[in-house]
Amino acid sequence: LAKTTQPISMDSYEGQEVNITCSHNNIATNDYITWYQQFPSQGPRFIIQGYKTKVTNEVASLFIPADRKSSTLSLPRVSLSDTAVYYCLLHSGTYKYIFGTGTRLKVLA
Amino acid sequence: GAGVSQSPSNKVTEKGKDVELRCDPISGHTALYWYRQSLGQGLEFLIYFQGNSAPDKSGLPSDRFSAERTGGSVSTLTIQRTQQEDSAVYLCASSLAAPNTGLFFGEGSRLTVL
Repeated sequence: LAKTTQPISMDSYEGQEVNITCSHNNIATNDYITWYQQFPSQGPRFIIQGYKTKVTNEVASLFIPADRKSSTLSLPRVSLSDTAVYYCLLHSGTYKYIFGTGTRLKVLA
Repeated sequence: GAGVSQSPSNKVTEKGKDVELRCDPISGHTALYWYRQSLGQGLEFLIYFQGNSAPDKSGLPSDRFSAERTGGSVSTLTIQRTQQEDSAVYLCASSLAAPNTGLFFGEGSRLTVL
């Protein structure tokens, strides 16, 4: 299974745009890239998913370059409530959803 | 139900006792997953069900762990002869059978083994 690498932690201030990059050099042709958000004492929550180029929803944007060896989750104008752990994972439509250690985002006032 | 439901939300037990954790997936979701999350750590995949079948049990940490799913719905994760290292949050998720539809997680069952 392709492995993902993310920064362990990031700090940001309220109102800033936050970009979290995930590296996946060995991504397979069939792999989709999905991001989850986890608040303390809760299960992870689906944020966004993409295959290539750019995907945007009401919560975030996902940028995927042409070689697909990395992806960047972009959170516009973060607030204190965006403090959470963000997981990047790859899957190809099978059952294998393997979570890494994630990126711990702390938003400061 | 509206979401994935897990029970109990908290369980404190003594070392050596057996525990059962229950997961009720979203109606219509044929795939069901169990994960374990130790304090401050990422999610560890345990087992996956498609319907009542578990094609891959390789994530179960030891033979003290078992899981079953009946009627393609509710699943039970059983831990026999609990050890202190079993203390963690056990998360259940479900998804549609179609690929790339995303996982929907429950709130988890926090297990503490004294």
